[in-house]
This record gives sequence, C-alpha cells and structure tokens, in this order.
Amino acid sequence: RKEVEQDPGPFNVPEGATVAFNCTYSNSASQSFFWYRQDCRKEPKLLMSVYSSGNEDGRFTAQLNRASQYISLLIRDSKLSDSATYLCVVNSLRNSGYALNFGKGTSLLVTP
Amino acid sequence: SQTIHQWPATLVQPVGSPLSLECTVEGTSNPNLYWYRQAAGRGLQLLFYSVGIGQISSEVPQNLSASRPQDRQFILSSKKLLLSDSGFYLCASASGYGVEQYFGPGTRLTVT
Repeated sequence: RKEVEQDPGPFNVPEGATVAFNCTYSNSASQSFFWYRQDCRKEPKLLMSVYSSGNEDGRFTAQLNRASQYISLLIRDSKLSDSATYLCVVNSLRNSGYALNFGKGTSLLVTP
Repeated sequence: SQTIHQWPATLVQPVGSPLSLECTVEGTSNPNLYWYRQAAGRGLQLLFYSVGIGQISSEVPQNLSASRPQDRQFILSSKKLLLSDSGFYLCASASGYGVEQYFGPGTRLTVT
C-alpha cells in the first residue's frame, strides 16, 4: 500500500463551484500533514498545514481524521486561478527521522 | 523568510555526460536540505536529504550522489547520466524533520 494515496483526477469544475479532494495515508504514527499546490512546470508551494481540529484559510478548508487516516481539502467558490495540482503530504519515518511523503497529486481544472 | 536558489533552470545533456546541480538557501541557518526528482506525470521522489554539513542520506539506489560542502549549499551530481535521469529536480529546505518544506524553482533536466 502506498504511504499517501490521492485520486489523480482530473476534476473539471465550473467557476464558483465547491470541490473536495481526499487523501488517505498508511502510517498511523504520522504527526504532520499538509496540502501543497503545484502549477504546471513549477515547484510545489505550501497551501496550508492540516490540524487535528480542522482549519480554514479563506476559501480553503482542511480536515484531518486520524482514526480513518484520511485528509481532505475543500475549496469553495472556485476561481480560474485555482487550477493546479494539489499534493497531499504526510510525514513519515526515515532512517534518521521523519521526512515528508508526497502524494502524486490531484489535478483541478476550473473552467469559465 | 527563506529563499531557495537553483541553477540552471533547464539543462539538456547527452547520455554518459556528468551532471552538477546546485542549490543554495538564504534566510535560514542549519536547515535540513532535500533533493527530489519528479518524472513526467509522476509524483515527487525523495533522492537525498541532509541534516548538516557533510551528512547525506540516500533514499534510493541510483547513479546520482549528493554533497553538502557548506551549511546552505547542496549539490546533486552524477558521473555518467542515463536516459532515466531525465526529470524535474527540486531542492527543498526545512527547519527540521516533519515540518513544512520550501522548494526552489527546480531544474528541468533532459538527457538525450
């Protein structure tokens, strides 16, 4: 089983729509969770951290369910500029400590 | 805030030629540094990480190597490139393990 699994999409949604991405992780000892955004041919950029109590940043809401080992990202009122690939990221234990493990990403295309 | 520099931005190299990619970090001290590769349509693969000068951990066996000659300098090298080494190489920096990482702009390598 892969450490971090995401639906690759693509998700095609109209402007103004609400869209949700899901992610599951396999390591129950993971402590840190993030969503990154990657535009085409660019580097990934941190979108938001994910906290146990859930957190919101403007139109973006992240949720964590430790019992189910499940993370979600909700985008409300989608904008054309939200089109990108969204990476689910979970820390995992390596030889010398924890490092981040990136999912393959979910592609979002917001259309006019 | 930290800034990560990578160069060159793009590179086309023949099979069997050597490689040297450089990453430098500003705005932080004693960071954890990482090299990732992203092949076309694939997720990020962690290649190397370093917790300090001269300390390198390798994640996957390959014909690449890494070095950290200074606190904020991380170098990825190869003596002889393979076609399979083509990809988008990303350097990342973090203040510790399991915390958010910040990426440089990447080097797009094509081996011909």
